[in-house]
Amino acid sequence: QKEVEQDPGPLSVPEGAIVSLNCTYSNSAFQYFMWYRQYSRKGPELLMYTYSSGNKEDGRFTAQVDKSSKYISLFIRDSQPSDSATYLCAMSGGMTTDSWGKLQFGAGTQVVVTP
Amino acid sequence: DGGITQSPKYLFRKEGQNVTLSCEQNLNHDAMYWYRQDPGQGLRLIYYSQIVNDFQKGDIAEGYSVSREKKESFPLTVTSAQKNPTAFYLCASSTPRRAGGPAEQFFGPGTRLTVL
Repeated sequence: QKEVEQDPGPLSVPEGAIVSLNCTYSNSAFQYFMWYRQYSRKGPELLMYTYSSGNKEDGRFTAQVDKSSKYISLFIRDSQPSDSATYLCAMSGGMTTDSWGKLQFGAGTQVVVTP
Repeated sequence: DGGITQSPKYLFRKEGQNVTLSCEQNLNHDAMYWYRQDPGQGLRLIYYSQIVNDFQKGDIAEGYSVSREKKESFPLTVTSAQKNPTAFYLCASSTPRRAGGPAEQFFGPGTRLTVL
């Protein structure tokens, strides 16, 4: 069983809809939860990260972490065609377990926003 | 312009040949990483290096080798022992973690390797 599970999609939504992405994980030592966006044939770029449980909002993006359920989510409001990309979740342990922040990635979900 | 460069962008290899993928960074980062990305499998760690002249195996190191002679450079060699080398290879770098935040990894544009 993989440490981080993510549905690869593709997920197709009309422009303006809310995109809902999620990952589940099995390692309770994970403390930092990140979302990367990857456009086709490019390297991933960090969108946002959350520490431990809770919500974080950045513009149209909201990240949620539920450590009790080992479940994280990313929501994209008012989706645009430019949001079409693959979204990867990534996780790392706390400072005491992993001072260099080695990441475990999900498989990535391909999102297509149609005009 | 600070960043990570990878070359070449596309690489074709005949079976039985070794090939070396280049990765250079001018971000002054201590740590560097190599990942392999296959459709539906996300990023899998091949090797990583936290300091010059030192590196560790990741989850899928068999058939690969690396060197870290300079802080800026972390080349990856795909050897003939790698049974299925066709993939998208990504290099990344990061600084050590500070309290209160993760170690953000910055990625290069990738090299697509195809074995003919």
